[in-house]
Amino acid sequence: DIQMTQSPSSLSASVGDRVTITCQASQDISNYLNWYQQKPGKAPKLLIYDASNLETGVPSRFSGSGSGTDFTFTISSLQPEDIATYYCQQYDNLPEATFGQGTRLEIK
Amino acid sequence: QLQLQESGPGLVKPSETLSLTCTVSGGSISSSSYYWGWIRQPPGKGLEWIGSIYYSGSTYYNPSLKSRVTISVDTSKNQFSLKLSSVTAADTAVYYCARRLMTRYYDFWSGYYSRRDWFDPWGQGTLVTVSS
Repeated sequence: DIQMTQSPSSLSASVGDRVTITCQASQDISNYLNWYQQKPGKAPKLLIYDASNLETGVPSRFSGSGSGTDFTFTISSLQPEDIATYYCQQYDNLPEATFGQGTRLEIK
Repeated sequence: QLQLQESGPGLVKPSETLSLTCTVSGGSISSSSYYWGWIRQPPGKGLEWIGSIYYSGSTYYNPSLKSRVTISVDTSKNQFSLKLSSVTAADTAVYYCARRLMTRYYDFWSGYYSRRDWFDPWGQGTLVTVSS
């Protein structure tokens, strides 16, 4: 089984800050990684696919990078509406899908 | 715009079977490009993939739940369903249905076969509590 480890588990930042979340896979998963945003009480929403491709309609302040085992999700300038929990999801060993444990982002 | 809506009992007794249905609107469940999936989220915890189904009926299940899970599809009603047997309190969760891409393709740039997979969109989710 491929394990996904996100860090930090929670994060507090100020509006305008640059925010970075990491996701580490237990083995090489190439670029087979997505990032989702889940706002409180809502369903997750796809933000980034294939590690670095921005989903249509998603603001450009969101970005993703990485390959192999180490991945990064970045918000270049934090906005109040970005308060959410963010999850990575690997799809190297289809049809199984594994999510990271999530990173809760709060405004300082 | 494609929409998914979960429905089913919000309370299930221990040892019984949890049954949920996902109704797809704004598009056909028989699309050859997509699978359909169930994901759950225990209160305050992360996301767990349960299983996925193609409109033809081909299914894939999370190995950790496989012995208790059945996913089926009804193309005439544009619905797919989840059954989880022998439930315990550990199965208490918000259950989501979602469209799943899950595809393999030839990448001409690299010269290799690659894959792409995501869950999008999702239903709003339904809380199922297991309690006597």
